[in-house]
Amino acid sequence: QSALTQPASVSASPGQSLTISCTGSSSDVGSSNHVSWYQHHPHKAPQLIIYDVTSRPSGVSNRFSGSKSGNTASLTISGLQADDEADYYCTSYTSRYTYVFGSGTKVTVL
Amino acid sequence: QVQVVQSGAEVKKPGASVKISCKASGYTFANYYMHWVRQAPGQGPEWMGIIDPSGAVTKNTQKFQGRATMTTDTSTSTVYMELRSLTSEDTAVYYCVREVPHTRYFEYWGQGSLVTVSS
Repeated sequence: QSALTQPASVSASPGQSLTISCTGSSSDVGSSNHVSWYQHHPHKAPQLIIYDVTSRPSGVSNRFSGSKSGNTASLTISGLQADDEADYYCTSYTSRYTYVFGSGTKVTVL
Repeated sequence: QVQVVQSGAEVKKPGASVKISCKASGYTFANYYMHWVRQAPGQGPEWMGIIDPSGAVTKNTQKFQGRATMTTDTSTSTVYMELRSLTSEDTAVYYCVREVPHTRYFEYWGQGSLVTVSS
């Protein structure tokens, strides 16, 4: 199973919005309602920020939102803050009852 | 509060085995699945497999079948992952990750265990 494709890096200024794409196939993102996103600060454990494509866990800022169209899921961060600078990974449950992760996107706050 | 504490860093020689532990506390151990995910340097995470502690049912991704074994000790609320025949490509941070059954997302991550394979 190939990794889901994410841009290696994206950047924006504080207060702006940015969107990270996550492209898979009809065997994973395209056919799954179970796409999730994780924020990973260096030397910390990854944190769930979006699950089931659009849902946010309790305690996660509403500045984070998710969506999906066809084989591509997206994470949008609005009102960008310095603490949002981190690596972001998507993952999808697959038609083979396994999980596949994205290649990861480094977000830089300018 | 929920805690998932993993064993420390390991350095192994090629061909050796490593066994990583993941001790849970603050919740009913048998009520949650546990996954193993690894992340090699400079790469995205990679899902390895899942264990249901209540019945010790496991599923590995095909890549690790025959080389990775996941077990559980319900008396100590600990899951283990043993990886055999290590090569340099197994150098990675290994995470145990909790899932509420059938939700299909990784709710809570351990702090990670670095395994370095080097001669």
